[in-house]
Amino acid sequence: GAVVSQHPSWVICKSGTSVKIECRSLDFQATTMFWYRQFPKQSLMLMATSNEGSKATYEQGVEKDKFLINHASLTLSTLTVTSAHPEDSSFYICSATDFLYGYTFGSGTRLTVV
Amino acid sequence: AQKVTQAQTEISVVEKEDVTLDCVYETRDTTYYLFWYKQPPSGELVFLIRRNSFDEQNEISGRYSWNFQKSTSSFNFTITASQVVDSAVYFCALSEANTDKLIFGTGTRLQVFP
Repeated sequence: GAVVSQHPSWVICKSGTSVKIECRSLDFQATTMFWYRQFPKQSLMLMATSNEGSKATYEQGVEKDKFLINHASLTLSTLTVTSAHPEDSSFYICSATDFLYGYTFGSGTRLTVV
Repeated sequence: AQKVTQAQTEISVVEKEDVTLDCVYETRDTTYYLFWYKQPPSGELVFLIRRNSFDEQNEISGRYSWNFQKSTSSFNFTITASQVVDSAVYFCALSEANTDKLIFGTGTRLQVFP
């Protein structure tokens, strides 16, 4: 079956630094990748949609300059949280999609900004 | 715009009880897909079912069953003879064929006590 690998699974960083999260589709080429954020005891909120080779489409209210998304190949998308602050602490999860497998989710990244 | 409502925030049952998780959706598309996911404390999303808008057949998979009714825009999920291992947050989700975005409901936290 389809597998999406997401790294790191958890990260602690200092306020003001940047953190990069990787999302890789291991055995299929993902036409589209999605990034979600989940605060404790809340739902998954879609942050952005990215397609290989083009700029990401951000949902309303999501700062594109703060959450940089790069989708350089059909198997890799990265989310960089720039100048992270404690309020950015959250669970970030990616999803890759293709025609055959539908949506496949990564295992998530727990970000803590101190 | 697409929207998913899960009115039940938390449900507690005793083992072996049956439990139904409600899901109501809104969409203007005639072609769409409905999903259920399970999220255990580890955070990973476990895919349970996908149903397209043209298939209103109910589905049963072991102790799990789903009731899809387009007339009431509902896609309810029933667990029969619940077990402690069923304790998790369950999300209903919707994607429209023309956007591919997967939008989640607010989730229902199910606690099954021994």
